[in-house]
Amino acid sequence: DIQMTQSPSSLSASVGDRVTITCRASQSINSYLNWYQQKPGKAPKLLIYAASSLQSGVPSRFSGSGSGTDFTLTISSLQPEDFATYYCQQSYSTPMYTFGQGTKLEIK
Amino acid sequence: EVQLVETGGGLIQPGGSLRLSCAASEFTVSSNYMSWVRQAPGKGLEWVSIIYSGGSTYYADSVKGRFTISRDNSKNTLYLQMNSLRAEDTAVYYCVRVDYSSSADYYYYYYMDVWGKGTTVTVSS
Repeated sequence: DIQMTQSPSSLSASVGDRVTITCRASQSINSYLNWYQQKPGKAPKLLIYAASSLQSGVPSRFSGSGSGTDFTLTISSLQPEDFATYYCQQSYSTPMYTFGQGTKLEIK
Repeated sequence: EVQLVETGGGLIQPGGSLRLSCAASEFTVSSNYMSWVRQAPGKGLEWVSIIYSGGSTYYADSVKGRFTISRDNSKNTLYLQMNSLRAEDTAVYYCVRVDYSSSADYYYYYYMDVWGKGTTVTVSS
C-alpha cells in the first residue's frame, strides 16, 4: 500500500505569509496527487488535483507542484479564511485513495 | 445545485448494523464513481469504499466483509450497509463524488470534487 506523509503536522503563520506544506509518497505516484482543505465541523473541499491543477472557484493564491514522490501545496499570501487543516491524497493506486495525516495551519 | 445529503447515522451498539443513505441532486449517481470517506473524532480522513459507474465495488481492508456499498438508480441514492460494527467505526461518514480529468495522453486523474456534510456514526454500549 502507498503511504502518504505530510510535513509539518502543524504550522503557525500570520496573515500575508507565504506557506508551504509538503506531502511525500512511499513510492512514485507520478502526478496523481490531490489537495483538500477542511475547516472545523465542515466537509473537506477540493483545492488542487493532478498535483498542480487548480479546482474551479479556488483562489489563485493556492498552487500545487511536484511529481513522483514529493509534492508541495503553497499559499502565496495567507488570508484569514485559509486557517484550516490540509490533506493530500494519492489517486495513483486506485481504488485505494490514501490520504496524508493532515497539516493543521494555525494563526500565529 | 450539485449536492449530496447523507442520512442514517446514529448511536449503535457494538455488533449492530446501520445503513447510511446519500441522496444526490443535479447529477446522476449511477453515471459517476461514488465513494464513502470517514473521519474518526479528532483524526484524519480515511477512504472506506467506492462503487464504479459500471457497478464494481471496492473496500478498505478495515471494513472489508462487514460493509457493503450499493446504489438505487431510481432514487439517485448511494448507500453504505454497515454490519458487525465496532467502536473503531465511530466517525463522521462523508458521501463523495469522484470525478476525473483526462490529459492529452489519456491519463485519468481522479479526485473527490463533491462532498456531503456528513453523518455521524457512534458505536458504543
